[in-house]
Amino acid sequence: DGGITQSPKYLFRKEGQNVTLSCEQNLNHDAMYWYRQDPGQGLRLIYYSQIVNDFQKGDIAEGYSVSREKKESFPLTVTSAQKNPTAFYLCASSIDYQPQHFGDGTRLSIL
Amino acid sequence: GQQLNQSPQSMFIQEGEDVSMNCTSSSIFNTWLWYKQDPGEGPVLLIALYKAGELTSNGRLTAQFGTTRKDSFLNISASIPSDVGIYFCAGLFSGNTPLVFGKGTRLSVIA
Repeated sequence: DGGITQSPKYLFRKEGQNVTLSCEQNLNHDAMYWYRQDPGQGLRLIYYSQIVNDFQKGDIAEGYSVSREKKESFPLTVTSAQKNPTAFYLCASSIDYQPQHFGDGTRLSIL
Repeated sequence: GQQLNQSPQSMFIQEGEDVSMNCTSSSIFNTWLWYKQDPGEGPVLLIALYKAGELTSNGRLTAQFGTTRKDSFLNISASIPSDVGIYFCAGLFSGNTPLVFGKGTRLSVIA
């Protein structure tokens, strides 16, 4: 079945450590997105990519980095510069004018 | 970044009651979307609206794209326990551009 796979489901980060969240899709979608979700805050856009080898910052890009080397993959790195990384991270993808589809998320916590 | 005004923030209803929630924006959107999120999972698309004035149903759910293109509402009829979750509205300007989300309506259904 086609879909969006995020891994791992749960992730723990030590102080000063970078961690990378994986997002893979087999829907042949051109665009991919990363959102951060905090309780009561809805979804906030971190980065998005409309095409391979290109990406744009969203509203809260500071402390995060991404790459888009393949159409199917859009990994998100939470760097040590992100001082409050504890959150639920959601990846989504879309094509043309169709609605975005979401993965099941990764919950990141600090040790 | 822009966010939509979604209300109410939370609702407690009896099983069998109807539910209504809405979203408003200061900007015009070309597409309105409604998603539902269960705990620990990604949002799932419920209804997509593409034309001003459009009224669309999906089972017990009905949503409308406001004629001004700045608002949308979602109704759930005869609520059941599995309707529990967070409902998000989202607006889309065009193509593979990021969605603008409301902060969500948390629905609780009392059996």
